Amino acid sequence: DAKTTQPNSMESNEEEPVHLPCNHSTISGTDYIHWYRQLPSQGPEYVIHGLTSNVNNRMASLAIAEDRKSSTLILHRATLRDAAVYYCILNTNAGKSTFGDGTTLTVKP
Amino acid sequence: SAVISQKPSRDICQRGTSLTIQCQVDSQVTMMFWYRQQPGQSLTLIATANQGSEATYESGFVIDKFPISRPNLTFSTLTVSNMSPEDSSIYLCSVRTVRTGAGEQYFGPGTRLTVT
Repeated sequence: DAKTTQPNSMESNEEEPVHLPCNHSTISGTDYIHWYRQLPSQGPEYVIHGLTSNVNNRMASLAIAEDRKSSTLILHRATLRDAAVYYCILNTNAGKSTFGDGTTLTVKP
Repeated sequence: SAVISQKPSRDICQRGTSLTIQCQVDSQVTMMFWYRQQPGQSLTLIATANQGSEATYESGFVIDKFPISRPNLTFSTLTVSNMSPEDSSIYLCSVRTVRTGAGEQYFGPGTRLTVT
């Protein structure tokens, strides 16, 4: 399974943008890049996904490098409720997803 | 989307016993998975639950220890057998509504298991 690499932790100030990076140098042409986040004592929740083009939704934006070997999740204005572990994973057409270690985001008031 | 419930939400069990965790989805889904999350760790995929056939286990997980059933498209069970303290974890059920890589994955709230 393709592997992703993320920084262990990041900090942000409330109301400021946050850029969460992810490296996936072994990505294959059909792998989708997905982001999930896990709030304390909850199961992971879907944030956003993309294949080649940048994507926007109500929660975040996803910027994908031209060679697809890295991507960045962008939270435009971090709130205290955005404090969570963020996981970048590659979804294959075979169906299963492998989670890496994720990035723990701390948001300071 | 899919809403997933799990029972029990938590349990404390004695070593050597077994616990069966139930996962119920509010709609028919293509794929169902079981994950384990040990304290302070990321999620590890245990197996893919296949409807009407044996589950597909990941490396390091075996059917004798983690038997899985999936009788239909909305329900699955995971049994943790002959438990030891090392099995203390959160067990999460997850589903995908489509089989392609574009499919979003949804997670249940988890079952927190403590083995004494």
